[in-house]
Parts: sequence; C-alpha cells; structure tokens
Amino acid sequence: DAKTTQPNSMESNEEEPVHLPCNHSTISGTDYIHWYRQLPSQGPEYVIHGLTSNVNNRMASLAIAEDRKSSTLILHRATLRDAAVYYCILRDGSGTYKYIFGTGTRLKVLA
Amino acid sequence: NAGVTQTPKFQVLKTGQSMTLQCAQDMNHEYMSWYRQDPGMGLRLIHYSVGAGITDQGEVPNGYNVSRSTTEDFPLRLLSAAPSQTSVYFCASRRTGTKSTDTQYFGPGTRLTVL
Repeated sequence: DAKTTQPNSMESNEEEPVHLPCNHSTISGTDYIHWYRQLPSQGPEYVIHGLTSNVNNRMASLAIAEDRKSSTLILHRATLRDAAVYYCILRDGSGTYKYIFGTGTRLKVLA
Repeated sequence: NAGVTQTPKFQVLKTGQSMTLQCAQDMNHEYMSWYRQDPGMGLRLIHYSVGAGITDQGEVPNGYNVSRSTTEDFPLRLLSAAPSQTSVYFCASRRTGTKSTDTQYFGPGTRLTVL
C-alpha cells in the first residue's frame, strides 16, 4: 500500500490560513488523495479529496503537486473548532477497497 | 438517516471474556470496516467487508472475528479479550462506487477497556 508522511503537529493562529502538507512519493496513477479530520473524542469525518487538479469545497481547499508526490490541505481561516488531527490518505488504487490511515497531523489553533 | 451507529459506547471486560461490538448503518452502503485507535495513535484497519457474505482482513486482524449477514450490520467479535485490545473501536461505511465518490462515514466509537 502506498504510504503518506505528515508532520506530527502544527500550530496556527485563529483567523489565519493553515497549510497542512502531506508527502506521498509512492502514489500510483489511479490513487485518489483523501483528507479526513478527527475532532477530540469523535470519529473521523471527511474533509476533501482529489486526483490531479486542485479542489475546493466549503471546508477547505486541496492543492496537489504536478507530479502528485505531495499535496497540501488549506484551511483558509482557521477557527478554534478546526483543532483536530488531520489525516492524509491514499485511496488504494489496486481495487481492494482498503483505506489505510497514517498517524496524521495534530493541528492546534491559538486564540 | 441515523448514519453509522455503534453500541455500546463504553465497555469494560476481564481478560479472557468474549464480547461483540455492534455496528449498523442505514445508508445502504456496501462497504463496512472496523478500525481500532490506541491512545495518541492513528487508526488501524482490523477487518472490512465489501458486501453481505464477503469479509477480508485488514492490518491487525488477530483476535477479532467478523461476519456480514446483512448489508446493514457488521459486528466485531472479540474471542478472548486481552489487555492489548484496550482501545477505541470505530466502525465505518461507504459506497463501493467510483473512487471519486467513496467518502467514508464513521460511527462515534466504542471505548473498550480490558483488565
């Protein structure tokens, strides 16, 4: 399974943009890049996903490098409610349906 | 829709006891899975199922059994509980359509302590 690498933790000030990086140098051509986040004491929730082009939704933006070996989740204005662990996941391209989570990045938002 | 529901929310077992963690979804999703999350760690896949009657192992299947007799339910059985199985267990479900639409939905979790 292709692996992802994320920093263990990051800090951001409230109301400022946050860029959460993810490296996935062994990504295959058909792997989608998914991001989930886990708020304290809750199950993970979907944030965004993409394949090649940058993607935007109401929660965040996803910027994907041209060679697809890395991506960045962008929270445009961090709030205290965005404090969570953010997981970057490669959707298994072999068709076996598995989602493999890494250890994620713990985002701390400072008031 | 209730989404993905899990019972119980909390459970304490003694070493050697068996129990079943329940998971149900009302979204008619084909794919269901179980993860465990140890303190300060990410989620690890235990077992998954792509439809009724079909199950497969994930990263850490030892000590756990699953079955999928209906689309809605995917119970996880601990055969003989060990302290190493103390963890928070999450169930998840999603469609098995195109990869671009397979968002996973997670339940609230079951916090299990094995003494």
